[in-house]
Amino acid sequence: AQSVTQLDSHVSVSEGTPVLLRCNYSSSYSPSLFWYVQHPNKGLQLLLKYTSAATLVKGINGFEAEFKKSETSFHLTKPSAHMSDAAEYFCVVTPAAGNKLTFGGGTRVLVKP
Amino acid sequence: EADIYQTPRYLVIGTGKKITLECSQTMGHDKMYWYQQDPGMELHLIHYSYGVNSTEKGDLSSESTVSRIRTEHFPLTLESARPSHTSQYLCASSDPGLPNEQFFGPGTRLTVL
Repeated sequence: AQSVTQLDSHVSVSEGTPVLLRCNYSSSYSPSLFWYVQHPNKGLQLLLKYTSAATLVKGINGFEAEFKKSETSFHLTKPSAHMSDAAEYFCVVTPAAGNKLTFGGGTRVLVKP
Repeated sequence: EADIYQTPRYLVIGTGKKITLECSQTMGHDKMYWYQQDPGMELHLIHYSYGVNSTEKGDLSSESTVSRIRTEHFPLTLESARPSHTSQYLCASSDPGLPNEQFFGPGTRLTVL
């Protein structure tokens, strides 16, 4: 069994300040972990993924995430938020050898000018 | 250009109508998926397919049905739509070599009056 908890349903930041989106997971197997972004009226876009290689993963648009097995966490960060980062972000877990994705509840990011 | 397409993007219909949501991908992926996403909520898997003539029910029970007659096409049908079917439906596909990485279409937002 696997589950994902995104600790914040909403995050509000000022443009140019750091963004932190928190994600904790549980999995009976060695997991693969993903972050997806969904802009309004758009499909989901893959930001980055962890698949048991380097624990610090760099993604698109300046985002990165660190896999911490001891804390069962996969938090997403960006040093400097841009207005275009306003969207909903989903943390996703799946067994390393499987293909059933389990989604977190999502975190909606608001970026203030 | 390899991509995944969904039509219609928006649909408003009356109760009792039969509808089919279309999903096509030009990436040559064997595996395809349908997710249901209520506003502000996470995605739930309702159907998936490993290839032609393969269809399976997902984690969330759904009154919809799917078919997979061609590799690139994975339509979802509701025989008699009800207001409880109002939701966003997202189609995805994955490469057998990268089963955990799913590519999503833009979604169909369905409203049943």
